[in-house]
Amino acid sequence: SSELTQDPAVSVALGQTVRITCQGDSLRSYYASWYQQKPGQAPVLVIYGKNNRPSGIPDRFSGSSSGNTASLTITGAQAEDEADYYCNSRDSSGNHQNVVFGGGTKLTVL
Amino acid sequence: EVQLVESGGGLVQPGRSLRLSCAASGFTFDDYAMHWVRQAPGKGLEWVSGISWNSGSIGYADSVKGRFTISRDNAKNSLYLQMNSLRAEDTALYYCAKDHAKTSSSWSPTLGYWGQGTLVTVSS
Repeated sequence: SSELTQDPAVSVALGQTVRITCQGDSLRSYYASWYQQKPGQAPVLVIYGKNNRPSGIPDRFSGSSSGNTASLTITGAQAEDEADYYCNSRDSSGNHQNVVFGGGTKLTVL
Repeated sequence: EVQLVESGGGLVQPGRSLRLSCAASGFTFDDYAMHWVRQAPGKGLEWVSGISWNSGSIGYADSVKGRFTISRDNAKNSLYLQMNSLRAEDTALYYCAKDHAKTSSSWSPTLGYWGQGTLVTVSS
């Protein structure tokens, strides 16, 4: 199966902008989706498709993609944004129906 | 309000079987593909299996293929995961998740709602 690679940890000062990236060959063909997971909670979808937010997700969350890299940007990070963030997409190798997740990025808001 | 409630987890010995269930409510269950995703303690998310709205398309991660079977009963608004030949590395919190949008074919990788998970521990 194909892989999606994320930086293990990223930090941002309160109110500043942070970009979390996800790299993988499958991203040349498919969009990534992004999930936020806080300790002890289930993941929550925050970005999908080209740059779509489910209802209830603040507009400080945005997504973009270029080549084999997808990015999640938080503009004006808040303390409540401190969480683990995961990307996922279709598996571009073998069975394209299958789903693959990145290893996750722990975001710390300073 | 969408609700997904998993059950059936527990402590099981290696080589034994376990069946997980997911009760869905708050949406038209047979309009959506469904998934199982797991998370080992302190680790990241791993997609386990997906099933289309009508069970016509089914897929598995290589790590569980041949041992796990996903199924659904649209009349009961329920999703299942039969897990056989369990191994220590199957120990994880198992989440049931719903596709974000209706799909006529198999499923999308965009998981719009997740349950709270049920813990499976495989140990002797």
